Amino acid sequence: KNQVEQSPQSLIILEGKNCTLQCNYTVSPFSNLRWYKQDTGRGPVSLTIMTFSENTKSNGRYTATLDADTKQSSLHITASQLSDSASYICVVSFSGTYKYIFGTGTRLKVLA
Amino acid sequence: DAGVIQSPRHEVTEMGQEVTLRCKPISGHDYLFWYRQTMMRGLELLIYFNNNVPIDDSGMPEDRFSAKMPNASFSTLKIQPSEPRDSAVYFCASSLQGKVPGELFFGEGSRLTVL
Repeated sequence: KNQVEQSPQSLIILEGKNCTLQCNYTVSPFSNLRWYKQDTGRGPVSLTIMTFSENTKSNGRYTATLDADTKQSSLHITASQLSDSASYICVVSFSGTYKYIFGTGTRLKVLA
Repeated sequence: DAGVIQSPRHEVTEMGQEVTLRCKPISGHDYLFWYRQTMMRGLELLIYFNNNVPIDDSGMPEDRFSAKMPNASFSTLKIQPSEPRDSAVYFCASSLQGKVPGELFFGEGSRLTVL
């Protein structure tokens, strides 16, 4: 069954600290993996995209990694800010179709 | 570009009433998706269109749900009759697809409450 699982479900950290969010998937055939950020009451916004051949990609303080062999991805947030408080959703797409499988997200709260 | 525009942002209705949600995709995008988001199930695909043609509606819960895309700049999702379990946030997203699935651009969502 094609699934995307994320951990932890929720996370609370202090401002300035780093954190890492995890995503495991069983989607096959795999095309690409994206991390989306969803602020409360808003639509999701793409942070990064990673294809099969990419291991690491950065977007400012966000760094995503991908291990296609173990089918795992992580999103590392450096020097967290209050504005990082949001849900982070891992989305995997199939090769050959335009369907996407969404994880249920990790809710991050950054405290001052 | 204004992005994906959805209306209404909030809708409160009574069970049995008809609900129509609207979406204007980003100009030039060839794919349009309707998703439903709940706390328990996250984002679920309801239906998607390619060049205004419905491609996959297997996610539509039941016959009470219908979606149309009469032209490249407008789509509707209709629920008739509505039920309390339909309460959720409904997102429209559009995309420009190439050799690989493209980035989804989401609207701000329509929060539906059915009493």
